[in-house]
Amino acid sequence: GQSLEQPSEVTAVEGAIVQINCTYQTSGFYGLSWYQQHDGGAPTFLSYNALDGLEETGRFSSFLSRSDSYGYLLLQELQMKDSASYFCAANTDKLIFGTGTRLQVFP
Amino acid sequence: DSGVTQTPKHLITATGQRVTLRCSPRSGDLSVYWYQQSLDQGLQFLIHYYNGEERAKGNILERFSAQQFPDLHSELNLSSLELGDSALYFCASSARDGTGWAQYFGPGTRLLVL
Repeated sequence: GQSLEQPSEVTAVEGAIVQINCTYQTSGFYGLSWYQQHDGGAPTFLSYNALDGLEETGRFSSFLSRSDSYGYLLLQELQMKDSASYFCAANTDKLIFGTGTRLQVFP
Repeated sequence: DSGVTQTPKHLITATGQRVTLRCSPRSGDLSVYWYQQSLDQGLQFLIHYYNGEERAKGNILERFSAQQFPDLHSELNLSSLELGDSALYFCASSARDGTGWAQYFGPGTRLLVL
């Protein structure tokens, strides 16, 4: 089957750095995406890794290792507004979403 | 605001009924995707259309159907509704075919089946 596993919850304080991991088992995989979703809101695209390595977009970075079937999202200089759920998603002929990680940022 | 619109925002109906959810993609986007989000199943891909043609199917029930019209808007039809169909339904659009592109999600339609 196809599955992506993430920790269910992560907590951190403002200004800190947090890493959200994603391990996957999928066929026909050609990339890993990350989406953010605030409570009651729609998912918002954050990043896409087609190749192994690190992609940096402002305070957010995403990493992919195909050999390890593993990726992570790194959030730096955390702000209260970063409190949300974060989903990794495997890009195949469909977008298969992970279980989601709820990030809580405390002052 | 992603530029994707969905109507209605909320829908309350009874078991056995049929409803139609509507989605207008961002201007210029040819791909439309439908997703279902529920507490126990997470975010599930239903179906993908590109420029009017069905491209990929996920875990979409036979009671559900969709289509994309020549003006690129899409409709998701849900029939013989069951309590378990209560969920948030999102559509998303992207500029091209394939999933290797950012998808822009609409605000969703919250469906409650009583």
